[in-house]
This record gives sequence, structure tokens and C-alpha cells, in this order.
Amino acid sequence: QKEVEQDPGPLSVPEGAIVSLNCTYSNSAFQYFMWYRQYSRKGPELLMYTYSSGNKEDGRFTAQVDKSSKYISLFIRDSQPSDSATYLCAVNTGGFKTIFGAGTRLFVKA
Amino acid sequence: GAVVSQHPSWVICKSGTSVKIECRSLDFQATTMFWYRQFPKQSLMLMATSNEGSKATYEQGVEKDKFLINHASLTLSTLTVTSAHPEDSSFYICSAHRGLAKNIQYFGAGTRLSVL
Repeated sequence: QKEVEQDPGPLSVPEGAIVSLNCTYSNSAFQYFMWYRQYSRKGPELLMYTYSSGNKEDGRFTAQVDKSSKYISLFIRDSQPSDSATYLCAVNTGGFKTIFGAGTRLFVKA
Repeated sequence: GAVVSQHPSWVICKSGTSVKIECRSLDFQATTMFWYRQFPKQSLMLMATSNEGSKATYEQGVEKDKFLINHASLTLSTLTVTSAHPEDSSFYICSAHRGLAKNIQYFGAGTRLSVL
């Protein structure tokens, strides 16, 4: 079993839709949860960072962590074509090693 | 703005030659940097952890003599792909931690290597 599972998609939505991206993880020791956005042929860019359970909101983006079910989510409201990218979830115990999900490819159609 | 700079962004080389990729932390010191490889439509694959002033730690299955890593200063790590072959063609990305937040990585823009 992989430490982090993420559906690679692709996920295609119309402009303005609410997008839900999800990951599950297996190790309850993970305390830090991140979402990165990666455009084609670019390095990943940190989008959201959450410690422990709960929600965190930043503009149109909301990150949600449910440690009881080992489930993390990223919601994008009012999605735009510029949101089309690959979104990677990442988990960490607090040390140097970060485990990345496979990434979900998102296409937002104008 | 970018906190990690990676150069070059794209390199084409002939089979058998060596290629060096640079990764710099721009406004902070990075005692640890990471090198990843990414194939099209796949996730990041950690190749090695670069430690300033000491030998890099390679992940299982990664040839250390093939992928030479040097972390000679607190702001620069280099990855040299030696005797490159077409199967080494890939997207290479470096990352670094900033400050005390060991768990957050900031990535370079990546280097696309094409070996002919």
C-alpha cells in the first residue's frame, strides 16, 4: 500500500465549478499536510499548508484535513482556466522527508 | 517570488556527455536540498538528499556514480548526470527547506534534459 494515494485523474470541469481534490494516507504519524500546484514543465508551487486537522482557507482555496479518516482535501471555488494544472498532495511527520501523492491533473474549460 | 533557482531550464546533449544542473537557494541558507526526477504525467520521484559539506544520501535504486551530487556551499547544490544516455531524459527538479520549517519544501523551476 502506498503511503499516500491520490487519483491521477484527469478531472475536467467547466469554468466556475467547485473542484474537490482528495488524498488518503496510511500513516497516522503524519502531522503536516501540503498541497502543491504544478504547471506543465514547471516545478511545484506550494499552495496550502496545514498542521494537524481542520480547515484552512486562502482566497478561492480551502484545504481540509480529517486525521480520523486519514483524508485530505483541497477545494477550489469559482474555478478558472488558469487553475488548470496538476495538484499534488504531500504529507510529512515534521522531519525532512515529505511523501508526495501521484498528482491529479485538472482541466478547467472556459 | 522564487526562493529556489534552478539552471538550466532545458538542456539537450549528446549521448555519452555529462550535464550539470545547478540549484540555488536565493535568500536563505539551505543545509539540505533534494533532487527529484519526474517522468511525464507521473509524480515526483526522490533521487537523493543533498547535504552541505557531506555526502549525499541516495534513494534505493539510484546510481550514485551516475548522478553525482555536490553541495559545496549553503546556497548551492549541483546534480551532474554523467555519461548521459537517452533513458536519462527526464525532468529534474530540486527543492530546499527554508528556515526552521523542515517539512515545507520550495521547488526550483525544473530542468528538462533531453539526451540524443
